[in-house]
Amino acid sequence: AQKITQTQPGMFVQEKEAVTLDCTYDTSDPSYGLFWYKQPSSGEMIFLIYQGSYDQQNATEGRYSLNFQKARKSANLVISASQLGDSAMYFCAMRERGGGADGLTFGKGTHLIIQP
Amino acid sequence: GAGVSQSPSNKVTEKGKDVELRCDPISGHTALYWYRQSLGQGLEFLIYFQGNSAPDKSGLPSDRFSAERTGGSVSTLTIQRTQQEDSAVYLCASSPLGLAGAYEQYFGPGTRLTVT
Repeated sequence: AQKITQTQPGMFVQEKEAVTLDCTYDTSDPSYGLFWYKQPSSGEMIFLIYQGSYDQQNATEGRYSLNFQKARKSANLVISASQLGDSAMYFCAMRERGGGADGLTFGKGTHLIIQP
Repeated sequence: GAGVSQSPSNKVTEKGKDVELRCDPISGHTALYWYRQSLGQGLEFLIYFQGNSAPDKSGLPSDRFSAERTGGSVSTLTIQRTQQEDSAVYLCASSPLGLAGAYEQYFGPGTRLTVT
């Protein structure tokens, strides 16, 4: 079973609208972290936001917020007031602590295109 | 340097040849990670270093792949007897801490490997 599922391969959104990118995850580890990364066409991976499994509040970073619903194992990224520069691939990733492994497990990504 | 650097940025090699990919992490970052990004497989974790030791080699796809890290800094990923399915972008990331902390991973620009 996939550990990270991103169900939206592609999205078209009008500039200035809010965007929600879906991410669900699967883990039995009680201690884990969830990350969102942006990858523009240049190829660099840019860290956006982090949510820990024990964090009581949803993470926010500027225009980015993470809608963390632990019982549903959901960690959707919300981008407010989208801009043309937000067009990129967006990856949700998880890091589990209990297994001793430390690499991130990534979803397949969502290709977001912001239209003027 | 300010960020993670990787070299070469592009590498074209003939099937059967060995290649070495280099990663220079952010100064002071103790944890270093290698990932592979390909169209078919998405982003895959390969190996993780904490200091010079590699507690997690679980993602290495075969025994043709090996990696080392010296002086707690530069890392080299070596692929022996390259195959066409090794063609991908190889990404390196570093973070201040490994298992002990929930720190984001900072990615380098990647090495695009093409095996002909």
